[in-house]
Amino acid sequence: QVQVVQSGAEVRKPGASVKVSCKTSGHTSSDYLIHWVRQAPGQAPEWLGWVHPTTGGTSYLEKFQDRITMSWDTSTTTAYMDLSSLTYDDTATFYCLREPAGGALYADFWGQGTLLTVSS
Amino acid sequence: QPVLTQPPSVSGAPGQRVTISCTGTSSNIGAGYDVHWYQHLPGTAPKLLIYRNNNRPSGVPDRFSGSRSGTSASLAITGLQAEDESDYFCQSYDIGPRIWVFGRGTKLTVL
Repeated sequence: QVQVVQSGAEVRKPGASVKVSCKTSGHTSSDYLIHWVRQAPGQAPEWLGWVHPTTGGTSYLEKFQDRITMSWDTSTTTAYMDLSSLTYDDTATFYCLREPAGGALYADFWGQGTLLTVSS
Repeated sequence: QPVLTQPPSVSGAPGQRVTISCTGTSSNIGAGYDVHWYQHLPGTAPKLLIYRNNNRPSGVPDRFSGSRSGTSASLAITGLQAEDESDYFCQSYDIGPRIWVFGRGTKLTVL
C-alpha cells in the first residue's frame, strides 16, 4: 500500500522561505508523478505543479515560476517543495499527492497536509 | 485559476440518497476531461472516491457512484450512513492553462 507522509506545520515571516517534505513508500513501479496543491481556508485547492521522480522533470503553475522549486530525492523516495518570498496570502495547507502512471490526471494517494502560516 | 462549482453543503437522513453537483466550463469538464471525486475529513489525507467519472477504487462501497454530462458531473451516495459525514470535492483538468482544477468542496451532513 502506498503511503504519503508530509512534514509538520510551519510558521514563517513574510519574505522568508519554507521547504515541505513528502515521504512516499509502497510504490510498485516508478512511473508516477508527485503533485503539490495548496488550499487556503474556504477556498478550492490550487494546483501548484509536479515533479517526475524518475527524470527529475518539473512543471509549475506559471504565477509561481519565480519562487517555487519541486525536487525529488531518489535515495529516500521523498519529494520536496520549496516556496520563497512568502506573503500573508501564502498561508494555506499544502498537500502532496501521487498521480498514477499513464497520464491519469487524478490522484490515488494524498499526504495528510502541511499547514503553513505566514505571520509577522 | 479556474474553479469547479459545488454547493457548499448538502444533508440527508440515514438511508437516504444525496447527490453533489460539480459544474465546470467548456475548457475542462465540457472539453471531455474526466471528473474525479475525493472524500476529505479535515486534518486527514483526502481519499480518492471516484475516478474517471464513474469508477470506484478497491474498497470504496458501491453506495458511491459518479456521472458526467456536458459541463457537469455528479456524485451520488445512496443508503446514507453516519460515517459518510465528510467534505467531498471534485477535480478535473483544464486545457486552457493546462492545470488541475478543483471544486471548493461540499460538506455532507447526515441528519
